[in-house]
Amino acid sequence: LAKTTQPISMDSYEGQEVNITCSHNNIATNDYITWYQQFPSQGPRFIIQGYKTKVTNEVASLFIPADRKSSTLSLPRVSLSDTAVYYCLVGDRRILTGGGNKLTFGTGTQLKVEL
Amino acid sequence: EAGVAQSPRYKIIEKRQSVAFWCNPISGHATLYWYQQILGQGPKLLIQFQNNGVVDDSQLPKDRFSAERLKGVDSTLKIQPAKLEDSAVYLCASSSRTSSQRNEQFFGPGTRLTVL
Repeated sequence: LAKTTQPISMDSYEGQEVNITCSHNNIATNDYITWYQQFPSQGPRFIIQGYKTKVTNEVASLFIPADRKSSTLSLPRVSLSDTAVYYCLVGDRRILTGGGNKLTFGTGTQLKVEL
Repeated sequence: EAGVAQSPRYKIIEKRQSVAFWCNPISGHATLYWYQQILGQGPKLLIQFQNNGVVDDSQLPKDRFSAERLKGVDSTLKIQPAKLEDSAVYLCASSSRTSSQRNEQFFGPGTRLTVL
């Protein structure tokens, strides 16, 4: 499984755009990039997934350059409620023999949003 | 749609005691996962079930941890005997084939275990 590197923490203010970059230099051809969000006292929650270029959904955008060795999660106009830990995961999307996927979480990025 | 349910939410025990956690996955999800999350770290997969069969238990400390999913729905994770280093949040997650195709797992709120 590809190893990921992301900042330990980031600070921002309400209304700003936040970009969290993740490095994954040894990403494999079959690997997808997935981001999860975790609030205190809750389990992680899927945010977005992509393979290349740009993916956008109702909560975030994911930018992936052509070489796919890094990716950037973009959160537009953050609010206090976006304070959480964000995990970047890289792995094959194919179903394992027997079913399901294996996700490997790193230590994540603690995002703190202030007024 | 109901989410993944876990109980209890909190548990405090003394070392060498036993403890069990329960998980009810999202209806229809064939794959169930148990993770251990130590404070300040990301979740670590302990065991993965497909229906009632084990897919991966390579990181489960089998000398003290056990898990079962007898009817392919609910699951229990047991620790016997507990050690101080088992203090962590134990997360249960589930996925369907459709959600697995986008690497999406649905997590429960977790059980926070404190071993004294």
